[in-house]
Amino acid sequence: AQKVTQAQTEISVVEKEDVTLDCVYETRDTTYYLFWYKQPPSGELVFLIRRNSFDEQNEISGRYSWNFQKSTSSFNFTITASQVVDSAVYFCALWTGGGNKLTFGTGTQLKVEL
Amino acid sequence: GAVVSQHPSWVICKSGTSVKIECRSLDFQATTMFWYRQFPKQSLMLMATSNEGSKATYEQGVEKDKFLINHASLTLSTLTVTSAHPEDSSFYICSVSLALPETQYFGPGTRLLVL
Repeated sequence: AQKVTQAQTEISVVEKEDVTLDCVYETRDTTYYLFWYKQPPSGELVFLIRRNSFDEQNEISGRYSWNFQKSTSSFNFTITASQVVDSAVYFCALWTGGGNKLTFGTGTQLKVEL
Repeated sequence: GAVVSQHPSWVICKSGTSVKIECRSLDFQATTMFWYRQFPKQSLMLMATSNEGSKATYEQGVEKDKFLINHASLTLSTLTVTSAHPEDSSFYICSVSLALPETQYFGPGTRLLVL
């Protein structure tokens, strides 16, 4: 069975601080995909990134960066110079062939204050 | 990514009535659509997966006679909550995908309140 753990329930930072959201996953499959989604207060989930298990290269997109480490089964997400508009719930999700569905973590509520 | 709409965005109904929620893929033909339910401050739970022209596949514990899903075309799926009760009050979200494990794109969600 697959599982995604986001141990940080809520994080509060002051604007311009860097913040890292942790994601640890469990699966016995060798082929899998990891995702991050952002859910702002409006409720609509916004796709941020998709990464397959064979690609361990870290990725940077503007202020966002992701660190994928298979050795620790982690796929962490860092926001550099956070802004108030980054305030949202962030979900990490896992797809495996064995489960054939997207399994979500419990989410991390990020609050960025002025 | 894909643009997905849901209608209605909000619905309040009396206990015992049925409610239909529409999910539309506006800019591509979605082979696969998914329905999720999210309770306040909780994660998304997959209810069912539907493929166009086929019967939906429901997750364990989801009553298929209560949550009727129809995926009649590549751009439209509907979820009907039959004989709704207060415990069915939740945020219902659909998503679309070309096929797993392709990325899922989510609709804005429908908030259902059953009185």
